[in-house]
Amino acid sequence: DAGVIQSPRHEVTEMGQEVTLRCKPISGHDYLFWYRQTMMRGLELLIYFNNNVPIDDSGMPEDRFSAKMPNASFSTLKIQPSEPRDSAVYFCASSLVAGQTQYFGPGTRLLVL
Amino acid sequence: SQQGEEDPQALSIQEGENATMNCSYKTSINNLQWYRQNSGRGLVHLILIRSNEREKHSGRLRVTLDTSKKSSSLLITASRAADTASYFCATDAHGFQGAQKLVFGQGTRLTINP
Repeated sequence: DAGVIQSPRHEVTEMGQEVTLRCKPISGHDYLFWYRQTMMRGLELLIYFNNNVPIDDSGMPEDRFSAKMPNASFSTLKIQPSEPRDSAVYFCASSLVAGQTQYFGPGTRLLVL
Repeated sequence: SQQGEEDPQALSIQEGENATMNCSYKTSINNLQWYRQNSGRGLVHLILIRSNEREKHSGRLRVTLDTSKKSSSLLITASRAADTASYFCATDAHGFQGAQKLVFGQGTRLTINP
């Protein structure tokens, strides 16, 4: 298996623009997680899905953030409008069972100018 | 709030020495996991220890768990330059509507000097 795939790997955008991050989980994994990592706040769970259904979005910072999982092999995290404080590395991870081993993608490094 | 807290925040040792990192957590757990993150990369799972286990080994890694003290340690023996990375502990925690999720600590930055 290719592992968790994320795109793009790097994104530079201007404040106010819409940003869409994409993730393909490992085939057969029922859980998908979106994390944000910054020096100040560490690794934060934003939202996770079970069988394509959002289970816990309590970590989504505000209404500018939204996530979807239209099918078992694809998820998006959208920021609209983006702000400089959204600059971070965003990781997608998947797992077979919640609370067990998670497999992380390489991350998307986002810079909002 | 953070469930796992690593100690120390940074550790620098000579190649060949052993490295020990500690993790403390606050609530009861089903398992505790350790992950490694190389600079600019995603996290990689190293080892999982269940709440009814006290010690677990994987190659040069040894993990201990003391549920009475709510703490765990990760020992890397005979360190190598390639072990330079950040190490995170993660505990399962009940989130919204009881669903389980992992909560990660802030990590220990380990540097192995040649």
